[in-house]
Amino acid sequence: EPEVTQTPSHQVTQMGQEVILRCVPISNHLYFYWYRQILGQKVEFLVSFYNNEISEKSEIFDDQFSVERPDGSNFTLKIRSTKLEDSAMYFCASFTSKGLVSYNEQFFGPGTRLTVL
Amino acid sequence: AQKVTQAQTEISVVEKEDVTLDCVYETRDTTYYLFWYKQPPSGELVFLIRRNSFDEQNEISGRYSWNFQKSTSSFNFTITASQVVDSAVYFCALSEAWDNDMRFGAGTRLTVKP
Repeated sequence: EPEVTQTPSHQVTQMGQEVILRCVPISNHLYFYWYRQILGQKVEFLVSFYNNEISEKSEIFDDQFSVERPDGSNFTLKIRSTKLEDSAMYFCASFTSKGLVSYNEQFFGPGTRLTVL
Repeated sequence: AQKVTQAQTEISVVEKEDVTLDCVYETRDTTYYLFWYKQPPSGELVFLIRRNSFDEQNEISGRYSWNFQKSTSSFNFTITASQVVDSAVYFCALSEAWDNDMRFGAGTRLTVKP
């Protein structure tokens, strides 16, 4: 069964460093998402991406964050200068279609746990 | 604006008890989708069910059942004859038809004791 994959499973970094979290969505999916879950809290939407551009972003997704789909298969989330409060689990998700014709659930990857020291 | 409320922060039951997890949502859209996800201690998000706003039929899947009531904006989840393996955090989520960005509730931590 197709699945969303994420690498690495755990990333430890120093405050101020740049990190790139990688995701490989399901191959025929068109919509891609990043979500964040701070330990013990709810899952929060960060950004959605379609047709090589951001379609929506939350207030969490500030200038320190960026996303791209560099090669048609990977979908990356970059945090330019990490802060302690960026420590969280980051989930990638993909979706095959949008709106009224969407009959499939979003598929979530297993997550990358980011620890900022 | 869309919002999901899971008022129960933690629930503890003894194995074989039935348990209901509450979910109340707010949306201005007439077309929307509701979800339940299970997050075991290992951390992944396990999809349980998706419901669209036009389908108010209750659903049963094994020991799991869902009660969707638009009149009260609720989408409650019942586990019958709970088992220790059901121990997890359960999230209810909502996405509006025009965009599939999901908004999650705060989650309910279910502990099932042997």
